[in-house]
Amino acid sequence: DEQLVESGGGVVQPGGSLRLSCAASGFTFSSFAMHWVRQAPGKGLEYVSAISSNGDKTYYANSVKGRFSISRDSSEDSLYLQMGSLRTEDMGVYYCARVNKVVPGAIFYYGLDLWGQGTTVTVSS
Amino acid sequence: QSALTQPRSVSGSPGQSVTISCTGASSYVGGYYYVSWYQQHPGEAPRLLIYDVSKRTSGVPDRFSGSKSGSTASLTISGLQADDEADYYCCSYTGSWQMFGEGTKVTVL
Repeated sequence: DEQLVESGGGVVQPGGSLRLSCAASGFTFSSFAMHWVRQAPGKGLEYVSAISSNGDKTYYANSVKGRFSISRDSSEDSLYLQMGSLRTEDMGVYYCARVNKVVPGAIFYYGLDLWGQGTTVTVSS
Repeated sequence: QSALTQPRSVSGSPGQSVTISCTGASSYVGGYYYVSWYQQHPGEAPRLLIYDVSKRTSGVPDRFSGSKSGSTASLTISGLQADDEADYYCCSYTGSWQMFGEGTKVTVL
């Protein structure tokens, strides 16, 4: 079965750092662009970051640019999100998700068809 | 504040149809055919229902349909069922990024 499993969430103080991981299985991870999407408590979905299938292109929401870094390791079939200078507004559930199609350059098209269960980030002193 | 506007809530009785609108700038929804729709039940991850405005993902029943007119995309749920009660989000390519709508809660009366 195709699956994404996030890990690495937890409680961190404002200004702190955290590294999220997303382990992929059941499909050819290296063929798909990947995204991180977050959801603050009781709020809607928000794009955080995206990366191309081979990792040569990365994208960030303005709200996290300069503080977060997305990467991937196809030898480990894993996606990562390094988060720094964390703020209370970064709190929420972080999902990794797969782009629906294997099309070169299709990072923002076709939707996200496979999601992990999410990992929770709490920023609190 | 999201540039994609959805009604906060819609409701309908079992068997009825409901339509959720998603209105954005002409350069977003109006400019591209890259609108997708997601369903999210409480405590669960989102599920992709529709992509490219009107294409259903594998396994999604044909009770769910998508369309677009000008700068407004729509998701219609026909033959409403109890399990359709959930939050629904539209998402549009903006030319450089993607953006989610504010979300709509569908209540089955």
